[in-house]
Amino acid sequence: DAKTTQPTSMDCAEGRAANLPCNHSTISGNEYVYWYRQIHSQGPQYIIHGLKNNETNEMASLIITEDRKSSTLILPHATLRDTAVYYCIVREDFGNEKLTFGTGTRLTIIP
Amino acid sequence: ETGVTQSPTHLIKTRGQQVTLRCSSQSGHNTVSWYQQALGQGPQFIFQYYREEENGRGNFPPRFSGLQFPNYSSELNVNALELDDSALYLCASSSMGTGRYEQYFGPGTRLTVT
Repeated sequence: DAKTTQPTSMDCAEGRAANLPCNHSTISGNEYVYWYRQIHSQGPQYIIHGLKNNETNEMASLIITEDRKSSTLILPHATLRDTAVYYCIVREDFGNEKLTFGTGTRLTIIP
Repeated sequence: ETGVTQSPTHLIKTRGQQVTLRCSSQSGHNTVSWYQQALGQGPQFIFQYYREEENGRGNFPPRFSGLQFPNYSSELNVNALELDDSALYLCASSSMGTGRYEQYFGPGTRLTVT
């Protein structure tokens, strides 16, 4: 699995958009970008994933650069409940591929 | 749709003992993966089970073993517990063969080895 680089921590004001960057410069052509988050003492929660195109669901948007070497997870209107550690992971989608977690970004939403 | 459940929630064991942790996968899922999360670190992959067979393993010794049952639920067994085995143990279910490979995690079992 390719490695990812994320900032250790970020703050965002409640109600504003939270933009979480991730670098994955060694990503291969068949590797997807996945985002998970982990609220304190809970299991990780799947957020979104994508290959090339930008993706949006009810939780977030994922913007992947054209060269696929970096991506940004966007939480459009952050709430206090979005305070969590956010993990950016790249993996092939063959079904039996493990998730390789780094240390993630600790996002704190400020009231 | 039933989510992933794990039992017990918390467990305290003594060094050298054996422990069994249990996981029920999300309905419609046929694959279970287990992860270990030490304090302050990201989850580390232990192994995955599909069709009752081990389908991939991380860098964990053989004293970590597992089972998957016909209903796709799973057990993680750890023998000869060591102090470093203290961690949050997470199971995640997914669905092989459907084209959707997101893994959905349970709440975890917090194991403390004294």
